Order: sequence, then structure tokens, then C-alpha cells
Amino acid sequence: DAKTTQPNSMESNEEEPVHLPCNHSTISGTDYIHWYRQLPSQGPEYVIHGLTSNVNNRMASLAIAEDRKSSTLILHRATLRDAAVYYCIMEYGNKLVFGAGTILRVKS
Amino acid sequence: NAGVMQNPRHLVRRRGQEARLRCSPMKGHSHVYWYRQLPEEGLKFMVYLQKENIIDESGMPKERFSAEFPKEGPSILRIQQVVRGDSAAYFCASSPQAPGEQYFGPGTRLTVT
Repeated sequence: DAKTTQPNSMESNEEEPVHLPCNHSTISGTDYIHWYRQLPSQGPEYVIHGLTSNVNNRMASLAIAEDRKSSTLILHRATLRDAAVYYCIMEYGNKLVFGAGTILRVKS
Repeated sequence: NAGVMQNPRHLVRRRGQEARLRCSPMKGHSHVYWYRQLPEEGLKFMVYLQKENIIDESGMPKERFSAEFPKEGPSILRIQQVVRGDSAAYFCASSPQAPGEQYFGPGTRLTVT
């Protein structure tokens, strides 16, 4: 299974952009990069996913390095409701392989 | 469109009893996944099912655990003769196709006393 490496925690100020990095140096050519987030006592919530090109949706943007060995999730304006654990995940054979994730703290 | 539903939300079982966890996928979704989250850890894949078929059970413990997704009704994760180490949050997810975005339920928190 492709492994991902993320910082344990990050902190952001409200209304400022947040860049959450992820390394996935063992990614294969067909592995999609997914991001999910999990609020306390809730199930994970889909954020965004991509294969090679940068992706945008209403929640976030995903910037994928040209060699695909790393990616960055961008929250354009963090709010207190964005405080959660963010997981960078490889989709491997139809299953999601979760790592430890990054705890994002948002300060008002 | 209702989301993924799981019941019960909380389940307490004594050691040696059976635990039965239910998952109703989103309407139109034929792919179901079960994950387990131990306290202070990330989610671990257990099993992937389509209607009446187990596609990938590589994450399921070899003994005491089984899963099914019958033609009619919810998907069931069954744990026989529960032990304290089975205490965890069990999440179900569904998707309309695979691979793709998975929609997670709120989870069932199993406590074994």
C-alpha cells in the first residue's frame, strides 16, 4: 500500500489560507490522491481528490506536484468549523488507506 | 437523499457476547465499506462488499468477524465472542461506483465490558 506522511498538527488563524502538505513518494501511476477530514465523534467527510492535475471545488483546492510524490490541500479561508483531522489518503484497490492525519487547529 | 445510516450509534456488550452492526448505504449506492477506528488512531480498512458479494476482506481479522451485504436490507458487520480489544468506532461508507468518493456514516461505538 502506498504510504503517506503528514505533519502531526498545524495551526492557522481564522480567515487566513491554510496549506496542508502530504508526501507520498511511493505512489503508483494509477493511485488517486484523496483528502478527507474528520471532526470529533463524526465519520470522515470527503474533501477533494485528484490524479495528476490540480483540482478545485467549493471546499478546497488540491495542488499535486509534477512528479506526484507530494500534494498540498489548500483551504482558502479557514474558519473555526474547519478545525478537524485532515487525512491524505491513497486509494488502493478500491479501499482508502488512512494514515495518522494532521490535526488542524484554527484560532479566532 | 438521506446519508449513510448506521445503527446502533452506541453498543455495549459483555465479553463473549455477539455484536451486530448495521449499515444502510445511500440510495443508489451498491458499494459498501467497513472501517474500524481504535481510540486515538486513524481508520483501518476492514472489508469491501457489493450486493451479495465480498470483494476485498483483506482487513478483516481471520476469526470472529464476518460481514454481509444481502440483496435486500442493510449491510451487517458481525463480531462473535467480543473481547475488550474490539472496543472501537466502526464506520461504514458507501459509494455509487468504485473507485471513487466514499460517503461515511456517523459510526457505531462499540464498548466491550
